Amino acid sequence: EDQVTQSPEALRLQEGESSSLNCSYTVSGLRGLFWYRQDPGKGPEFLFTLYSAGEEKEKERLKATLTKKESFLHITAPKPEDSATYLCAVQERSSNTGKLIFGQGTTLQVKP
Amino acid sequence: DSGVTQTPKHLITATGQRVTLRCSPRSGDLSVYWYQQSLDQGLQFLIQYYNGEERAKGNILERFSAQQFPDLHSELNLSSLELGDSALYFCASSVGGGITDTQYFGPGTRLTVL
Repeated sequence: EDQVTQSPEALRLQEGESSSLNCSYTVSGLRGLFWYRQDPGKGPEFLFTLYSAGEEKEKERLKATLTKKESFLHITAPKPEDSATYLCAVQERSSNTGKLIFGQGTTLQVKP
Repeated sequence: DSGVTQTPKHLITATGQRVTLRCSPRSGDLSVYWYQQSLDQGLQFLIQYYNGEERAKGNILERFSAQQFPDLHSELNLSSLELGDSALYFCASSVGGGITDTQYFGPGTRLTVL
């Protein structure tokens, strides 16, 4: 069964303290891996799409990387405004649709 | 602001009732997706429509149905509501049929079933 597991469930950081979030996936073939950010009570906001192992993408303090079994979201020198839930989702290669399989998310809190 | 709009923002109703959630996709997007987010299940894919046709079905209950109209807006109908249907319902849209398309999410409708 296709599965997406994110760890840790929750992460507390001091402002400026860098860390990484993990997303491991089990699918028959990966078409794409997506990272979203979700603030409480709001819709997920798109961050990155990764397609193949070795690929990396960056946006401000965030950098996403992909291997054959997992993806990491690295947060460098985070600020309080980076506090949110980060969601990872995968799209299967065998799917001809847009169906995304989401992980449970990592809730990040950055304290000043 | 993603450009995807959803109404209503909040909905409170009783068990056994029927409700309709509405979604307008971003201008130019042909696909609409519906997702359910609950505390224990996370974000679950329900259904996708592409240019008026059903494209994919996920974990959507038989009590739930959806459609996409010629102007591309979509409605999700939930009937015979149960307490367990209380959740956030999100609509997303994308330009094409979905394969590697970026999905842009709306602000959601919070459904509370009492």
